[in-house]
Amino acid sequence: QSALTQPASVSGSPGQSITISCTGTSSDVGDYNYVSWYQQHPGKAPKLMIYEVTNRPSGVSNRFSGSKSGNTASLTISGLQAEDEAHYYCSSYTSSSTLVVLFGGGTKLTVL
Amino acid sequence: QVQLVQSGAEVKKPGASVKVSCKASGYTFTAYYIHWVRQAPGQGLEWMGWINPNSGGANYAQTFEGRVTMTRDTSISTAYIELSSLRSGDTAVYYCARGMGMLAESFDYWGQGSLVTVSS
Repeated sequence: QSALTQPASVSGSPGQSITISCTGTSSDVGDYNYVSWYQQHPGKAPKLMIYEVTNRPSGVSNRFSGSKSGNTASLTISGLQAEDEAHYYCSSYTSSSTLVVLFGGGTKLTVL
Repeated sequence: QVQLVQSGAEVKKPGASVKVSCKASGYTFTAYYIHWVRQAPGQGLEWMGWINPNSGGANYAQTFEGRVTMTRDTSISTAYIELSSLRSGDTAVYYCARGMGMLAESFDYWGQGSLVTVSS
């Protein structure tokens, strides 16, 4: 099964807002509100930023928000900061018989 | 505090097997699924499967069916993944992660990762 589709890279200046998209199908993103987003800095384990489309775990800044429309989920980061520069991955529960969780290919966020 | 501590790096020859451990602390081990996710060098994340530490039941991504086994030892709050018939494409960092959410489909705590290198 193909990975969820994310842009390879996005960029923004400090203080700006950016949005990262995550496109799936009606078997995953479109049919379930079980989309998560992870931040990964080089050499580190991923960190959960958003779960179940819009929920932030305790301790995650409210500058991070999630949404979904149809088969596409989005992560928005407002008030960009230098430490936001990282890779971001989306994931979704899927009804595929071959998988339970499907990841996106990842997006590199560069803070200019 | 919740912690998942994994075993160290391994170097294996093609065709061999590897077993990675993941020791949980700071929460009730049997209350949360443990997932395994791997990341090849410079690549994205790939979900491998989960184990229910309470029942021992497991569910594997079809890509790995027949080559992967996930087990646990509740007496020491430790989960294991064993991957057999290793090939160069299995070179990756292997992570364990705790499942949370309605379907345990999100991963709120991660191990530090275990690098497995497959090389002749």
